[in-house]
Amino acid sequence: DSGVTQTPKHLITATGQRVTLRCSPRSGDLSVYWYQQSLDQGLQFLIQYYNGEERAKGNILERFSAQQFPDLHSELNLSSLELGDSALYFCASSVVPGAGANVLTFGAGSRLTVL
Amino acid sequence: GQNIDQPTEMTATEGAIVQINCTYQTSGFNGLFWYQQHAGEAPTFLSYNVLDGLEEKGRFSSFLSRSKGYSYLLLKELQMKDSASYLCAVRAASGGSYIPTFGRGTSLIVHP
Repeated sequence: DSGVTQTPKHLITATGQRVTLRCSPRSGDLSVYWYQQSLDQGLQFLIQYYNGEERAKGNILERFSAQQFPDLHSELNLSSLELGDSALYFCASSVVPGAGANVLTFGAGSRLTVL
Repeated sequence: GQNIDQPTEMTATEGAIVQINCTYQTSGFNGLFWYQQHAGEAPTFLSYNVLDGLEEKGRFSSFLSRSKGYSYLLLKELQMKDSASYLCAVRAASGGSYIPTFGRGTSLIVHP
């Protein structure tokens, strides 16, 4: 157990629907990162939050949004789902979003299947 | 942007040594990480290099040459459980943030 908790573990839904993925960071970590992993793309950075504020944005679609709450948990919202959104979505956390040996600790992931 | 290149797949024999290479092109380099990922599971941290040279940690070692944009992960005394994907990730400074960008990973198959 890495200490990063993601729910749900598996999710099956239909095209056009909306889902919310949830992440609780490791105790003491203030920064949360979302990554998408599909077979043909590898791990792609989506978005990062630090202490409730958006810090960096990657290749996140406009249909996707995220936020980090005061208790530091984060949610990733995916809407108007398409078949191509089927992937493993990982949340990772780190103590701070800076440099140094600031290691990302990953959760077990949420596997989304869009039918 | 960043460009990270690593072999797609490698095979090796139990008890042997294997070296997984990673080359990268980036500006604002700020560290290189290696992660291990078993199929369907979370990536787990193996090593971190920010200065040139070799970092050793048990059976695993990682090397970095910043001038060549090159790193390798060395796995010794291979075990069957080492069969996994190995991800090279490069962190670069961008707009005040430091985000690791991952390569596509090298799938290592260890056979008896």
